[in-house]
Amino acid sequence: GDSVTQMEGPVTLSEEAFLTINCTYTATGYPSLFWYVQYPGEGLQLLLKATKADDKGSNKGFEATYRKETTSFHLEKGSVQVSDSAVYFCALESQGGSEKLVFGKGTKLTVNP
Amino acid sequence: DTAVSQTPKYLVTQMGNDKSIKCEQNLGHDTMYWYKQDSKKFLKIMFSYNNKELIINETVPNRFSPKSPDKAHLNLHINSLELGDSAVYFCASSQAGVASGNTIYFGEGSWLTVV
Repeated sequence: GDSVTQMEGPVTLSEEAFLTINCTYTATGYPSLFWYVQYPGEGLQLLLKATKADDKGSNKGFEATYRKETTSFHLEKGSVQVSDSAVYFCALESQGGSEKLVFGKGTKLTVNP
Repeated sequence: DTAVSQTPKYLVTQMGNDKSIKCEQNLGHDTMYWYKQDSKKFLKIMFSYNNKELIINETVPNRFSPKSPDKAHLNLHINSLELGDSAVYFCASSQAGVASGNTIYFGEGSWLTVV
């Protein structure tokens, strides 16, 4: 079945460091891909998405490019801030009429001042 | 205005009790969901409803029963609560499912603790 694999956390960075969170997927066809973020004590918010190969999603300085050849959707940010501390979830749209998102296990990011 | 709202936000209850979590969305969406996030932060879908009709039931114990009185509401009833039911439950909605990259909007979560 469809699945998403994210890099194991937690990830701890200093402010202004470069961030990469790896995400790869297994799916039939070409599903839409998403990154969601969960700030401490809050619900999930959509961070960015890409609906077809080579699309780049971007928001709040974060970027991710849909790479069909490597089945990846890695999240990057050039300079993280303390306020970026959160859990980040990669997800794909499961196809075949099942109408659901399949999530990775989440990566906790802590940014220190 | 909160797009997807769920109540209560925190719930502590004893084993064996029956409890409900309510969810409402004001986005005019046709599809609503319940997701469960376990203690390791792993998120998994439980149910999906489209226009009040059940679309997805992901092998959830029948102690869990969703009820959709109208397309703006999807409530979750849990009977005979067990310790393993302790989790964060997220309600969500989208327009016409996730096909073609439709965004799912999540509520803030309901933290359920069974003691």
